[in-house]
Amino acid sequence: AQKITQTQPGMFVQEKEAVTLDCTYDTSDQSYGLFWYKQPSSGEMIFLIYQGSYDEQNATEGRYSLNFQKARKSANLVISASQLGDSAMYFCAMRSSGAGSYQLTFGKGTKLSVIP
Amino acid sequence: AAGVIQSPRHLIKEKRETATLKCYPIPRHDTVYWYQQGPGQDPQFLISFYEKMQSDKGSIPDRFSAQQFSDYHSELNMSSLELGDSALYFCASSFGTTHTDTQYFGPGTRLTVL
Repeated sequence: AQKITQTQPGMFVQEKEAVTLDCTYDTSDQSYGLFWYKQPSSGEMIFLIYQGSYDEQNATEGRYSLNFQKARKSANLVISASQLGDSAMYFCAMRSSGAGSYQLTFGKGTKLSVIP
Repeated sequence: AAGVIQSPRHLIKEKRETATLKCYPIPRHDTVYWYQQGPGQDPQFLISFYEKMQSDKGSIPDRFSAQQFSDYHSELNMSSLELGDSALYFCASSFGTTHTDTQYFGPGTRLTVL
């Protein structure tokens, strides 16, 4: 069974500052993918960044980067130079390589509020 | 770039009625997924289809059924609706079925059961 834990229900960050959103995971699979999604108040689910379990380098996508520490089973999202539009719910998700396992398992999410 | 299309965007039904949600995946994507997100909750996986065959099943009630058609669009059919079915229903699609393939979500259908 897989589990994603996001321990920060809510976070505040000053505009233009960097912020780290925590995510730890638990799986017995050797191969898996980790994903971060953003959900604004309008409700859509927007893909941000992906990290594979065998990727040696941390993933980066523009202002988003993933601090992947495999031994600690953590995949923290770092947002640099926060903008007001970054205010949203952020979900960490995982998908394993297990046969017949197509689903994403999500954490409970972190609500990020960017302060002007 | 084309995104996942879901219709309708909003739906209001009475208890015990039926509802049909439609999903049009990103062109060339071969896998479709359905998720249910209750208020203040994280999305929960319902069911997925690869090349028109059911590929995985999650916590989908027996009152719900789904299928993927020859043009790859998918429909989620919900019968005997209950108040607890009120939620945001997402369809997602991917090109490929491995754990490295990103699932792109549609805007969701917000179902309200009165």
